[in-house]
Amino acid sequence: AQTVTQSQPEMSVQEAETVTLSCTYDTSESDYYLFWYKQPPSRQMILVIRQEAYKQQNATENRFSVNFQKAAKSFSLKISDSQLGDAAMYFCAYRTTWSFGNEKLTFGTGTRLTIIP
Amino acid sequence: DVKVTQSSRYLVKRTGEKVFLECVQDMDHENMFWYRQDPGLGLRLIYFSYDVKMKEKGDIPEGYSVSREKKERFSLILESASTNQTSMYLCASSLQGSLAKNIQYFGAGTRLSVL
Repeated sequence: AQTVTQSQPEMSVQEAETVTLSCTYDTSESDYYLFWYKQPPSRQMILVIRQEAYKQQNATENRFSVNFQKAAKSFSLKISDSQLGDAAMYFCAYRTTWSFGNEKLTFGTGTRLTIIP
Repeated sequence: DVKVTQSSRYLVKRTGEKVFLECVQDMDHENMFWYRQDPGLGLRLIYFSYDVKMKEKGDIPEGYSVSREKKERFSLILESASTNQTSMYLCASSLQGSLAKNIQYFGAGTRLSVL
């Protein structure tokens, strides 16, 4: 079974600075998807960024980027120019490559990010 | 925009009560999921469904059942609520298929307290 580990329960960063959230995972599969989800105080989980394991290029979405190290099974999230609206719980998630009826996500325990004005 | 609606934001029930948590999605998604979120444990999958009347157990199905009679609606049932089922419950839905675009969309969650 796959496992996802987020070793930082809490992080804080000064507004406008850069912060990196860590995620490691364990799998025997060679093809899979990785995700970062954000859960703000409103509780609505929102997808931040996703990465397909067969793509070597790291995914980026505006101020959000990942450092995907497949051999090390590491998938960290970098947030540049942090803004107050980035304050949230961040979850790393793993999904196996598609097979019918098997599209569930495995989540890490989350990292609570605080933005200091 | 995809909308996943959970019927209650907050719910307080008594031990032994039968509890229904309802979830409706408006984007014709084949897959629907129920997760439980607890501090320090992240999200854990209770049940999921990939078609009407189809269900699969997740990682923590004990004490729960589900119902999917219509494509857009997925209900989580606590047959006899217990205090250890006090938690946040999140519903999600997604398209079926191999594209990475079939991401999961979440509802706002139901915070259930069992007294």
